[in-house]
Amino acid sequence: DSGVTQTPKHLITATGQRVTLRCSPRSGDLSVYWYQQSLDQGLQFLIQYYNGEERAKGNILERFSAQQFPDLHSELNLSSLELGDSALYFCASSATSGIYNEQFFGPGTRLTVL
Amino acid sequence: AQTVTQSQPEMSVQEAETVTLSCTYDTSESDYYLFWYKQPPSRQMILVIRQEAYKQQNATENRFSVNFQKAAKSFSLKISDSQLGDAAMYFCAYRSAYSNYQLIWGAGTKLIIKP
Repeated sequence: DSGVTQTPKHLITATGQRVTLRCSPRSGDLSVYWYQQSLDQGLQFLIQYYNGEERAKGNILERFSAQQFPDLHSELNLSSLELGDSALYFCASSATSGIYNEQFFGPGTRLTVL
Repeated sequence: AQTVTQSQPEMSVQEAETVTLSCTYDTSESDYYLFWYKQPPSRQMILVIRQEAYKQQNATENRFSVNFQKAAKSFSLKISDSQLGDAAMYFCAYRSAYSNYQLIWGAGTKLIIKP
């Protein structure tokens, strides 16, 4: 158990809908990262937050947004969902946004768009 | 931009034997970190081993070791005494030491352990 929690574990929805994925980092970790893993592929970085502020952005679609709250949990919002958004979404956390701290991954949320 | 390449989509090894998974990367940076993650069927991402670019000594963690060749931009993972529990997808990942601390991932290698 990495200490990072993600809810829900599974999500099935229809095209055009909006969903929210939730992540709670390890106790004390200030940095949260979101990654997308499409079927049998590597992970793609979406976005990073550090202590409530956006720190880095990857290939995140405009239909997607995220935020990190004062209690450090983070939410990833996906809207106008398309079939191609079906994927495993991982959240990871690290102690700081610096270079010496490894990222610990949550169990992921599997999103299926029908 | 940095890229990570894993050229072996699938590898198989007999239980108790040794297997090496390949990873190459491309970067113009001199300082960075490299990682191997394991993703079993449960889909959890588990850190196996990491290497800091400025350290010449290859990292080892029990049965797992790396062969880090900085000039060749190669970072292979050796698994000794393979066990059935080692069966998983293995991903190589890169992280800059300068900015944008997100991980950049290879496509993964599926490791099959034959009993």
